[in-house]
Amino acid sequence: NAGVTQTPKFQVLKTGQSMTLQCAQDMNHNSMYWYRQDPGMGLRLIYYSASEGTTDKGEVPNGYNVSRLNKREFSLRLESAAPSQTSVYFCASSEVGTGVDEQFFGPGTRLTVL
Amino acid sequence: RKEVEQDPGPFNVPEGATVAFNCTYSNSASQSFFWYRQDCRKEPKLLMSVYSSGNEDGRFTAQLNRASQYISLLIRDSKLSDSATYLCAVFGSGNTGKLIFGQGTTLQVKP
Repeated sequence: NAGVTQTPKFQVLKTGQSMTLQCAQDMNHNSMYWYRQDPGMGLRLIYYSASEGTTDKGEVPNGYNVSRLNKREFSLRLESAAPSQTSVYFCASSEVGTGVDEQFFGPGTRLTVL
Repeated sequence: RKEVEQDPGPFNVPEGATVAFNCTYSNSASQSFFWYRQDCRKEPKLLMSVYSSGNEDGRFTAQLNRASQYISLLIRDSKLSDSATYLCAVFGSGNTGKLIFGQGTTLQVKP
């Protein structure tokens, strides 16, 4: 039982390049989330998916797109990377509506945009 | 005003000390509250949930004060291994499971 996995762990991009961050969970959770974490800013929600086939914007969605490919996988795409997107990205999942509200996080992707 | 606010610290305390962190929230309708622990360069992990009047788990006690809209985390008999960043989180609006996090409070326990 791997929990939440993310790939890649590290990435360096040049301004304007694109990339997709992958996230998968094996806990059969209905909801998945993408956060970014910057020094002194805590975790900020980028996008979330309450269930397979649905996605919605969080606090900081500009410059990102997401795809909920199936119940297990939720990807985050940067179409044209900017230095302001240098951050640590965490994916999380939870089973909403069952009374067990814990969000489980992946190990993170450390992204640097030059 | 941020929806969830914490004093970033750092809090530097000796082993064995008792330390408390507060976290204020702005949405009076919030129902669910959490404390997460995050070690350096690692992912956050749930430490405690705070649903009603608070709860206790060993050396850790979490309290909710609805009137003043804050939650607190008390750590007794601090250990070196308690050194970490502690994030409070509050459920956002709607039944989506969205969490709003504070910026975290850093604790450094020294020998």
